[in-house]
This record gives sequence, C-alpha cells and structure tokens, in this order.
Amino acid sequence: KNQVEQSPQSLIILEGKNCTLQCNYTVSPFSNLRWYKQDTGRGPVSLTIMTFSENTKSNGRYTATLDADTKQSSLHITASQLSDSASYICVVSSYSSASKIIFGSGTRLSIRP
Amino acid sequence: DGGITQSPKYLFRKEGQNVTLSCEQNLNHDAMYWYRQDPGQGLRLIYYSQIVNDFQKGDIAEGYSVSREKKESFPLTVTSAQKNPTAFYLCASSMSGGLSYNEQFFGPGTRLTVL
Repeated sequence: KNQVEQSPQSLIILEGKNCTLQCNYTVSPFSNLRWYKQDTGRGPVSLTIMTFSENTKSNGRYTATLDADTKQSSLHITASQLSDSASYICVVSSYSSASKIIFGSGTRLSIRP
Repeated sequence: DGGITQSPKYLFRKEGQNVTLSCEQNLNHDAMYWYRQDPGQGLRLIYYSQIVNDFQKGDIAEGYSVSREKKESFPLTVTSAQKNPTAFYLCASSMSGGLSYNEQFFGPGTRLTVL
C-alpha cells in the first residue's frame, strides 16, 4: 500500500533554533518528492521538489534530503523564524496519473519567541 | 494578479442541502484537482480533471460531483449524499495532470461546516 508517514506530528522550538522533520514513504514506482508549507487556513505552497537522483536541495533556510534506497526524506530548517510556524507536508508522486500523488499528514511546527 | 482562487472562504450548510464550492484559475493550467483535508490526515483526492469536459473520480468521490465546462473553472458540489462533509476543501491546478512532476498550485481553501 502506498503510504507517506511523517514525524513528529508536532514540534515546538524557540526562534533561532534549527529543526529537522522526517518523511518515510512506501510509494512505488517513485517519481518525485515535494515538501509543502501550509500556513493555518491557507493552501499549501511548494518548498522543494526532489527526484530519484537528487540527494540534497536547498531553498533559502530550508534544506531537503532524499535517500531513495531507504525511502526517507528530511526537511531541515535553519535559524528558525516566527514565520516558519506552519504545517509541513511531504508529498510523494508515482509515475502514474493524478491519483498517485500521496500526501503525508504533516508536521505542525510552532516557533516560540 | 495570477493564481487560483476559491470562494467562499467559509460556508455553512444545513443537513440535506447541496452546496457548490467555486474554484477559478488564470494560470492557463490544463489540470485541476479537488482535495479534502481533515485534522490529522493527509489531503485526499476527490476529483480531478486533466482537460476541459473530462474528469475522473479520486479516492473519495462518493457524495461529490464536479464539472469542467471551462478551462479556468472547476466547481465542486457537495451533495446531501456526503455523510460527513464538514472539512477544509482545497482546489489545485497544474500545467498537466499526466506527469506527476508538475507542481500543483493550491487555492486558499474553503472551510465547509454542516450545521
């Protein structure tokens, strides 16, 4: 069964600290993995996309890693800011139709001053 | 101002009523999608459309209906047959639906509450 599991479910850190969010998946055949940021009451916005051959990709203070062998990805946030408070969703796509895009349930990140 | 819009932002419905959620995009995207988001769960696909006048059921289509008469518009009707319609509904679009590499752009969402 195609699944995307994220951990932790929620995380609270102090402003300025770093954190790492985890994503494990069993989607096959694998096409790509995206990390989205979703502010409360808004639609998700794409942060990064990674394909099978990519190990690391950065977008400002966000760095995503991918290990296609172990089917794991992480999102590292450096020097957190209050505006980083949001849900972060891992999304894995398969080489197939739209119905093969699997969303994780997200990690709710709260940054405290 | 390009993008994808949804209306209304909040919607209240009495049991037994049908309601229609609007989704419009001016990105010239071929594919459009409707998702449902519930607390603690990942987004679940309701319906998607890869081209005008064509759409397919997603994983949880029962109790919902859609139409795609125009490229820019993909309205979702929540019918009285949907047993638990209270949720946050997200519309998305992408350049095409056949290639999962294409980024999906999401609207701001509609929160539907059944009274």
